[in-house]
Amino acid sequence: EPEVTQTPSHQVTQMGQEVILRCVPISNHLYFYWYRQILGQKVEFLVSFYNNEISEKSEIFDDQFSVERPDGSNFTLKIRSTKLEDSAMYFCASSDGSGPSEQYFGPGTRLTVT
Amino acid sequence: GQQLNQSPQSMFIQEGEDVSMNCTSSSIFNTWLWYKQDPGEGPVLLIALYKAGELTSNGRLTAQFGITRKDSFLNISASIPSDVGIYFCAGLDNNAGNMLTFGGGTRLMVKP
Repeated sequence: EPEVTQTPSHQVTQMGQEVILRCVPISNHLYFYWYRQILGQKVEFLVSFYNNEISEKSEIFDDQFSVERPDGSNFTLKIRSTKLEDSAMYFCASSDGSGPSEQYFGPGTRLTVT
Repeated sequence: GQQLNQSPQSMFIQEGEDVSMNCTSSSIFNTWLWYKQDPGEGPVLLIALYKAGELTSNGRLTAQFGITRKDSFLNISASIPSDVGIYFCAGLDNNAGNMLTFGGGTRLMVKP
């Protein structure tokens, strides 16, 4: 069964460093998303991406964040200068062209900022 | 922003018992989704609901989209140890974009 994959599974970085989190969405899906989950808290929406541009973003997704679909399969989230409070699980999700409703999530990348 | 209140926060039940959890919102959603999350993993989609009043089953799981479009419940019948995990409801308002708003989760523990 097709699934969303994410790399790396765990990333440790120092405050101020740039990180890139990578995702491979399900191959025939057209909508892509990033969510984050701070330890013990609910999942929060960051950004959605469709037709090679951002379609929605939350207040969390400030100028330090960017997304890119560099080729036909990868979808990346870049955090330009990490802060301690960026430590969280980051989930990529995708949905097909029949509508954005059923979003399928990847296993997540645990980001630890020290 | 939109808020989803999910209850109970946690449940500790005996294997074989039925379980019920629900989500309520102050605003309307067009779609309700229920996910299960195991420790260290991503949410796995269990059931999607698209119409007010809709009742949908997936094996031992049954979920309903409330008639007011402001609530949803999930029932698990005859629980088994592998049902352990955190269950999240998520709402989608098509008029407010395609972002999911998640509830706080219900942690389910099952005693064999």
